[in-house]
Amino acid sequence: LAKTTQPISMDSYEGQEVNITCSHNNIATNDYITWYQQFPSQGPRFIIQGYKTKVTNEVASLFIPADRKSSTLSLPRVSLSDTAVYYCLALAAGNKLTFGGGTRVLVKP
Amino acid sequence: KAGVTQTPRYLIKTRGQQVTLSCSPISGHRSVSWYQQTPGQGLQFLFEYFSETQRNKGNFPGRFSGRQFSNSRSEMNVSTLELGDSALYLCASSSGNRGQTYEQYFGPGTRLTVT
Repeated sequence: LAKTTQPISMDSYEGQEVNITCSHNNIATNDYITWYQQFPSQGPRFIIQGYKTKVTNEVASLFIPADRKSSTLSLPRVSLSDTAVYYCLALAAGNKLTFGGGTRVLVKP
Repeated sequence: KAGVTQTPRYLIKTRGQQVTLSCSPISGHRSVSWYQQTPGQGLQFLFEYFSETQRNKGNFPGRFSGRQFSNSRSEMNVSTLELGDSALYLCASSSGNRGQTYEQYFGPGTRLTVT
């Protein structure tokens, strides 16, 4: 069964770039990798998704290497309000949606 | 456009009882997925319904079941509750169109406590 692995936590400072890598072996060939952000007492919120190479939107970038065994979420110039838990989501072989364990990002002033 | 709504927001039940949770997706969305979130296990996928049919299922025992109605609203039922079922149950809606993307919109969740 596929396993999705992320670092448990990361600390950063305002204005810095934060990069979170998720390892996801054995994912389905044609499926997207999606990242979510979750604040306390709220449901996760969609940030970005990608299939391969690089995707950028107004809040983040997503880098996916050719082998698709990992992906990196990049948050440019973080602010205090970016303190949250970030999850990667992939569709594993066997059609099982698998969330990573989540990375708790703490942005300090 | 209204977001995903879940009812009730909080629930306290006793071991052995059963519980039904409700989810109303975003208007026009045909897919509803359910997740269990606990501090120890994180976010775990329960099942997905699309057009009243279960399309995808996680690794949970048969005590966990769901259904979807013709208006896309969904219910999740847990029978014979166990202490370990205490969790935040999240519902997410999406267009459900195949293309293997998972841009889902989550509700605020139902906090279930089993005593």
